[in-house]
Amino acid sequence: DIQMTQSPSSLSASVGDRVTITCQASQDITNYLNWYQQKPGKAPKLLIYDASNLKTGVPSRFSGSGSGTDFSFTITSLQPEDIATYYCQQYDNLPQTFGQGTKVEVK
Amino acid sequence: QVQLVQSGAEVKKPGASVKVSCKASGYTFTDYYIHWVRQAPGQGLEWMGWINPNSGGTNYAQKFQGRVTMTRDTSITTSYMELSRLRSDDTAVYYCARGGSMTPADYWGQGTLVTVSS
Repeated sequence: DIQMTQSPSSLSASVGDRVTITCQASQDITNYLNWYQQKPGKAPKLLIYDASNLKTGVPSRFSGSGSGTDFSFTITSLQPEDIATYYCQQYDNLPQTFGQGTKVEVK
Repeated sequence: QVQLVQSGAEVKKPGASVKVSCKASGYTFTDYYIHWVRQAPGQGLEWMGWINPNSGGTNYAQKFQGRVTMTRDTSITTSYMELSRLRSDDTAVYYCARGGSMTPADYWGQGTLVTVSS
């Protein structure tokens, strides 16, 4: 199985800050990488697909980049409603696998 | 609009089976796979497998092989996930999600809490 190593596991930032999360795959996954946002008690929500494509309707402050084994996810200006846990997921190989998540809190 | 509506919470004893349903609406049911993902309390997301509603074909994660069965009823646009020989560590929220074999899961159900306890 492909291991997805996500970091940090948690972070605290101020409103307006730039936040970056990284995700490393244990082998080349080309660009088959998604980013999800999950708020407490809710289902995950797809934000970014194919490493860098913003899903329609998702605010442009969210972005993703990377290919191969190294990926990153950025919130350019953190908003209070962005408090959530963020997961990367590879779907290049089965089983699809997720990173362990990054909990984002606002200072 | 696309909606996936799951069945309600379940409490089961160890060794029993559970069957969770996922009713799809707002799109052509046979055009997208249904994935099943679970999340243990306070833990991350774990992919269990998918079913192709068009063919009925399935692909299960090795971890669940022999214990999970995914089926569908196209007449009522509903998918099912049945997990047998339940253990306490199967306690989790189970989600269905619409996607493809090589496309992301873009819409998710609300989740179904399955509690396994004696």
